[in-house]
Parts: sequence; C-alpha cells; structure tokens
Amino acid sequence: EVQLVESGGGVVQPGGSLRISCVASEFTFSTYDMNWVRQAPGKGPEWVSNISASGSLTHYVDSVKGRFTISRDNAKKSLFLQMNSLRVEDTAVYYCASGATFFQYWGQGTLVTVSS
Amino acid sequence: DIQMTQSPSTLSASVGDRVTITCRASQTIYNWLAWYQQRPGRAPKLLIYKASTLESGVPSRFSGSGSGTRFTLTISSLQPEDSATYYCQHYSSFPWTFGQGTKVDIK
Repeated sequence: EVQLVESGGGVVQPGGSLRISCVASEFTFSTYDMNWVRQAPGKGPEWVSNISASGSLTHYVDSVKGRFTISRDNAKKSLFLQMNSLRVEDTAVYYCASGATFFQYWGQGTLVTVSS
Repeated sequence: DIQMTQSPSTLSASVGDRVTITCRASQTIYNWLAWYQQRPGRAPKLLIYKASTLESGVPSRFSGSGSGTRFTLTISSLQPEDSATYYCQHYSSFPWTFGQGTKVDIK
C-alpha cells in the first residue's frame, strides 16, 4: 500500500521559516511528479507547488513565489518544502500528494500554524 | 487564474437518492477535471479524473460527466458512507485550482 508521511509542522512566528518533509514508501517515488497542497482551517484545498519527477522543473502558486522552495531527494524517497517569510495566512494543513496533474495519493498532512 | 465554482454548497439527501453536484470553470478546461471526496479529519481521496474516468477501487455508483466549462459528479444511490465534502479540481493550466466544496449530508 502506498504511504506518504509528512512531518515537520509546528508553530512559527510571522516572518519565520519552517521546512516540512514527506517520505514515501511502497511507491516508485522517482517516477512521479510530486506536489504540496494545503488546506486552511474550514477551507477547501489549495495547490501550492509541483516538482517534476527528476526535480528539474518546479511550479508555484503566486502567493508563495519567492518565499517557498520545493525540492526532492529521490534516493531517500523524500519531498521537501522550505517555507520562508511565513505569514498568518499560510496557516494550514500541508499535504504531500503525487501526480503530474490530478492528485492520486495523499499523505495525512502536517499542520503549520503561523502565529505570534 | 481559472476559477472553479461548485453548486450547491450543501445538500441533504436520503439513503438511496440520486445526488448531483455541479462544477463550473471560468474558462474552458476541456476535460481536465478531477473530483475528490473528503471526510472530516482525513485527506482528500481521488474519485474521478479526466472528467469521467473512475479511479481504481471507487464504487461504480460514482460517475462524472461534462466538458468545456460545465461538469457534474453524480452519486446514483447515496450510501451512509458518502457523507463528506466533495471538491472539483482543474488541471488545465497552472495554477491548478479547486472548487469551494459541496458538503453532502445524509437525512
């Protein structure tokens, strides 16, 4: 069974930084595009960022461009999101999800809270 | 950005009822649309992609249709475990966006 497990969430002050991770198992990680999708409390999901299978191509939603960086380590079956200059409106559950277009497999999510 | 609008926002139906949810795109997305089910406290689950292709393991009572700007998700015979929020998502161009969701309750 495919498993995606996120970690690294927590409470951070506005302007701070956080790096979240996702580890895959039972999954040919290196052949899949991967994504971060977030969901603010009581809201619908929002796609945040996509990285190609090789890691050579990335895309971001405008609201995080220049602040967030997606990366991956295929040897360790791991996906990362470096989040800098965090804002209150970045508070959400962050999910890693596989797919080059739609999202087939999802992790359980990690909560990031930006608050003073 | 392409905006996705779902209707209704909430609906209440009885077990066995036929339920239809509509999703409209602000411009054509051809058939690049997916549907997800999300139960409280859980991650979204893929139901349908390419507007009408059922994901493996999803019950056949779920179906999708449409193209261009108007799409529908139909549950042919509502079951108690279908109580959830349903989201559409386009993948026609970046940024991929979701609808605001339709909450389905069982009467």
